[in-house]
Amino acid sequence: DQQVKQNSPSLSVQEGRISILNCDYTNSMFDYFLWYKKYPAEGPTFLISISSIKDKNEDGRFTVFLNKSAKHLSLHIVPSQPGDSAVYFCAAKEVGGAQKLVFGQGTRLTINP
Amino acid sequence: GAVVSQHPSRVICKSGTSVKIECRSLDFQATTMFWYRQFPKQSLMLMATSNEGSKATYEQGVEKDKFLINHASLTLSTLTVTSAHPEDSSFYICSARDRRGGENSPLHFGNGTRLTVT
Repeated sequence: DQQVKQNSPSLSVQEGRISILNCDYTNSMFDYFLWYKKYPAEGPTFLISISSIKDKNEDGRFTVFLNKSAKHLSLHIVPSQPGDSAVYFCAAKEVGGAQKLVFGQGTRLTINP
Repeated sequence: GAVVSQHPSRVICKSGTSVKIECRSLDFQATTMFWYRQFPKQSLMLMATSNEGSKATYEQGVEKDKFLINHASLTLSTLTVTSAHPEDSSFYICSARDRRGGENSPLHFGNGTRLTVT
């Protein structure tokens, strides 16, 4: 049972344009959401997060949007840069859920020069 | 920034042997560490939650006698894959949360261990 889903395994975007990565979830008990970025042979690194009480959080070029009614969140990167090429994981945490994260399958983002 | 060191990065072992993977938080203390496993092109699957000074909490379907977890100090957790089989070949990643952060503070991940069982 995949509670966090990233339905696009890959995405290719032109440098300078906006990258939009999507994530859907099924568990209504999730109250905190995070995006991680992963390069090959490295562990994931934290990028940005959002609490369920908000619908938007912005940090520089990265913005995360949360639509609770649709159980959907998205990560916007603008402008996209070649160094953004990586695998992006969406993750979610339950209310009082022992602090553990549930991850999506990941989306491989490629930024073309 | 917070650094988690995982060792070894890559290990090859023979069927039936045991392999120990170490996870250390270098510049912070972690009362809780998490062990994940990732199959090719799939998500990170939580295996167990490692609690300092107490028994680990295993996810459903994960054999606790096969994947031994020890969290002996606030900076070290180990995962031992016992009697390894080829199907245990995978990418294992540990993560830790700074005990000073709240429950929503992000996890910091090690660089993972690629285990190959021949």
